[in-house]
Amino acid sequence: EIVMTQSPATLSVSPGERATLSCRASQSVSNNLAWYQQKPGQAPRLLIYGASTRATGIPARFSGSGSGTEFTLTITSLQSEDFAVYYCQQYNNWPPLYTFGQGTKLEIK
Amino acid sequence: QLQLQESGPGLVRPSETLSLTCIVSGGSISSAVYYWAWIRQPPGQGLEWIGSISYSGFTYHNPSLKSRLTISVDTSKNQFSLKLSSVTAADTAVYYCARPMEFGEFPFDFWGQGALVSVSS
Repeated sequence: EIVMTQSPATLSVSPGERATLSCRASQSVSNNLAWYQQKPGQAPRLLIYGASTRATGIPARFSGSGSGTEFTLTITSLQSEDFAVYYCQQYNNWPPLYTFGQGTKLEIK
Repeated sequence: QLQLQESGPGLVRPSETLSLTCIVSGGSISSAVYYWAWIRQPPGQGLEWIGSISYSGFTYHNPSLKSRLTISVDTSKNQFSLKLSSVTAADTAVYYCARPMEFGEFPFDFWGQGALVSVSS
């Protein structure tokens, strides 16, 4: 099983500033890496897939980068609605054995 | 617009079987080859993929749950179901059904709202 490790566990950033979240895979997942946003009481929402492609309707302030084992989600000009928990997920296996990171909570500083 | 809705009991006794159904609307479950998925999230914790099923009934399971898990599909009702046997408190979670973007190695772009299932006597 591929283990996904996210850092930091909690990130405190002021509105209008930039947030950088990290995700590391225990082995290469190529670019088969997605990022999700989850707000309290809601299902996760797909933000990024293919490590760097924004999903439909996702604002341009969200960007993803990386390949292999190291990935980054960057959110520029943080808006109030961006404060949430973010998960990375690898989907590099077929047959599937999807795994998620433990999440990074992005909170208002 | 595709919508997924989980339904089932919110409380299950220890050692019994947890049963949930995901009702798909706004599209046919058999219109294309997707592997419809179950994912769970214990309170305050991260996400765990449980398993996936195609409209033809082919399944993939998380090895950690495989011995207790049954996933089935009913195309006539446009729904798929989850049964998890011999539950313990560790199975308490919000259970989501979800659909990946496409067949193959893709993430999930449609999710149900989630159903909280508590395991308690």
